[in-house]
Amino acid sequence: ETGVTQSPTHLIKTRGQQVTLRCSSQSGHNTVSWYQQALGQGPQFIFQYYREEENGRGNFPPRFSGLQFPNYSSELNVNALELDDSALYLCASSGTGDSGGEQYFGPGTRLTVT
Amino acid sequence: RKEVEQDPGPFNVPEGATVAFNCTYSNSASQSFFWYRQDCRKEPKLLMSVYSSGNEDGRFTAQLNRASQYISLLIRDSKLSDSATYLCVVNIINQAGTALIFGKGTTLSVSS
Repeated sequence: ETGVTQSPTHLIKTRGQQVTLRCSSQSGHNTVSWYQQALGQGPQFIFQYYREEENGRGNFPPRFSGLQFPNYSSELNVNALELDDSALYLCASSGTGDSGGEQYFGPGTRLTVT
Repeated sequence: RKEVEQDPGPFNVPEGATVAFNCTYSNSASQSFFWYRQDCRKEPKLLMSVYSSGNEDGRFTAQLNRASQYISLLIRDSKLSDSATYLCVVNIINQAGTALIFGKGTTLSVSS
């Protein structure tokens, strides 16, 4: 167990709706990264938060947004959901903003958009 | 060209076999390199970091060639429990911050 938790575990939404996914980082970690993993693909980097500031962003549209709170937990918000947003959303925590690949993943939230 | 490319797989090998995975990356600003393992319907877990000098962890050996932008993973004496998807990962740090780029993954199936 990594100590990274995510909620909910599964979610079904309708196209056009909005969704909020949550992540609690491992104790002592101040950096949270979010990834989208479609079936049969590797995780794709959405963005990273370090001490409540965005610290890097992948090639995702602005309708994907995030927050990090003072306790370092984080939210991923997706507006105007599209069918292609159906995927496993993974959160990972690490100790510092530039710790690179030594990240610890949560179990993920499986989002289905119909 | 994808930023991180891996062997397409799948690799189907018997127990005890030696198997090698290759990976290339396109961004010369890549700072650090890793192999992650992902079991079916589970989250990725760090298998090992990859250093220029090469590094070994039990049956697993990783190599990095920065000049060729090439990373490899060798698994010796394969076990049934090695069956999983192996993800090649590079970390890029630029003005916008840091980004962790994953390959598509290579699936390994070890059979008895």
